[in-house]
This record gives sequence, structure tokens and C-alpha cells, in this order.
Amino acid sequence: AQSVSQHNHHVILSEAASLELGCNYSYGGTVNLFWYVQYPGQHLQLLLKYFSGDPLVKGIKGFEAEFIKSKFSFNLRKPSVQWSDTAEYFCAVNTGRRALTFGSGTRLQVQP
Amino acid sequence: DTAVSQTPKYLVTQMGNDKSIKCEQNLGHDTMYWYKQDSKKFLKIMFSYNNKELIINETVPNRFSPKSPDKAHLNLHINSLELGDSAVYFCASSQDGTGPEKLFFGSGTQLSVL
Repeated sequence: AQSVSQHNHHVILSEAASLELGCNYSYGGTVNLFWYVQYPGQHLQLLLKYFSGDPLVKGIKGFEAEFIKSKFSFNLRKPSVQWSDTAEYFCAVNTGRRALTFGSGTRLQVQP
Repeated sequence: DTAVSQTPKYLVTQMGNDKSIKCEQNLGHDTMYWYKQDSKKFLKIMFSYNNKELIINETVPNRFSPKSPDKAHLNLHINSLELGDSAVYFCASSQDGTGPEKLFFGSGTQLSVL
């Protein structure tokens, strides 16, 4: 069965620090990959997605993610975080089923 | 305008009771979902409906019964509530072909079973 692992459960950074959140999945076939974000008190919303083509995907608010097929990874990055990036970040994968499989989430806390 | 709305936002109840959570989407999507988020933040798919037809039914106790009166609504009824049912339940919808490209989530229902 497909699964998604997010190894960082809680990350604390200072403003302007660089961010990288890890995401690994276990599935040998074609995958579609997603990062979702949940800001405090708000809905889960899509940050970015990868379906095909350029493995470096750019999303909203300066976030990007790189799909490395050989490592089964889809890590999320941002060069310089802001206090407003404080949120819960979820990696997700779709392997052709009619639903997404999510990781357990990473709580990002950005200190001013 | 709220795209995916679910009610109630909070639900506190006693063990053994029966409760329902309602979900409505005004996006015209064909597919709706129920996800359960446990205390460790894992979001697990429970059910998926496409045009009122059950598509995904994960290993969920029979006490959980989804009902889709039309493609804009997917309600979740839970019988004989147990302590382990305490979680946040998220409704979502998507417009997709063979797989969801983008899920739109509701704000969640925090269920506490005492």
C-alpha cells in the first residue's frame, strides 16, 4: 500500500531562515505529488503539485518542491521564511486511486 | 462564499450516542470525501463518493455510514459513538477524472466523545 512519510514533525525557525521539509513516499509507479498547508484557523489548501514535466515545481508564496524519483522524495523548500508561514504542512500522493494519501504533517513555527 | 462547508464545527457527545456531520460544496464538483485526522495528525481517507456513488470505502467500522443525497452533499452518520472516534473529521471535494488534482477542504469538525 502507498504511504507518505514526513520525518520532521515540528520545525522551529527564525524569520529569514531557509526551510526544507522532507517528504518520502513508497510506491514504485507513476505518482502525482502535492503539498497542502493549513494556516491557523483556516482550511487545508493546496500549496503546489507535481504531475509531470519539470521536477522543480513552484507554488504560492515563494514555496517550491523538487521531485527526485530515485529517492522517492518530494521535499518542500523556501529560501527565506516569514512569520506568516507558521502553519501545518502536509505532503500527499495520488497513485491513481480516487483519493489522496497524506503524511502526518509538519508543524512549522516561525519566530519573529 | 464558503466553497466546502461542514457543520457542526465542534461536537461533544457521550459514548453510545448517534451523531451526524453534514457537508455541502457549492463548487459543482463531482467527487466528495470524508477524511479523519487522528491525534497524531494523520489524515486518513474514509469514504469517497462520485456523483452519489460510493467509490472508496476504507476499513471503517460499520457504525460509520456516509449518505450522499445529491452530488453537492455528503453527510456522515456515526452510530454508537466510542472514545476512539474522537478526532477531527474533514470533508473535501474535487473535480477530477481518474484522480483528484486538487482537493478543496472544509474547516473540519472536531468530535469529542466523552
